[in-house]
Amino acid sequence: EPEVTQTPSHQVTQMGQEVILRCVPISNHLYFYWYRQILGQKVEFLVSFYNNEISEKSEIFDDQFSVERPDGSNFTLKIRSTKLEDSAMYFCASSENETNEKLFFGSGTQLSVL
Amino acid sequence: AQTVTQSQPEMSVQEAETVTLSCTYDTSESNYYLFWYKQPPSRQMILVIRQEAYKQQNATENRFSVNFQKAAKSFSLKISDSQLGDTAMYFCAFMKHVYAGNNRKLIWGLGTSLAVNP
Repeated sequence: EPEVTQTPSHQVTQMGQEVILRCVPISNHLYFYWYRQILGQKVEFLVSFYNNEISEKSEIFDDQFSVERPDGSNFTLKIRSTKLEDSAMYFCASSENETNEKLFFGSGTQLSVL
Repeated sequence: AQTVTQSQPEMSVQEAETVTLSCTYDTSESNYYLFWYKQPPSRQMILVIRQEAYKQQNATENRFSVNFQKAAKSFSLKISDSQLGDTAMYFCAFMKHVYAGNNRKLIWGLGTSLAVNP
């Protein structure tokens, strides 16, 4: 069964450093998302992406964050200057088309900012 | 704004028994989707079951079923014949109805950690 894959599974970085989290969505899917889950808190929506542009972003998704689909398969989340509070599990998800509400998630990247 | 509440942080059940996880939500939307996602130790979020609000019939997927009470804004998950592999965190989530141009943003509960004991 096709699945969303995320790399790396764990990322440790120093505060102020840039990180790039990578995702390969399911190949025929058109919508892509990033969510994050801070330990002990609710899963939060960050951004959705369709047709090579951001569809919607949350208040969390400030200028320090960016997303890109550099080629036909990868979908990346970049954090330019990480803060301690960026430590979280980051999930990538994809959905098939504009009428399908099913999101398929990857296994997440645990980001630790020291 | 929509909110999702799961009032049971932890639950346990004996193997082969039945357990019900609770979820309530708040919305002014009339049409929407509700989901239960499972997060096992592998960390992947796996869709367990979904319900469309305009459908009165409760969704069922094998051993998993829901009790959807639209007026009460309640959406509980029943797991029958619990198995050790059901041990996981379970999240209830809400999404506005999908139509062209709308975004599929999920609003999540805090989760319920379920332990199935042998």
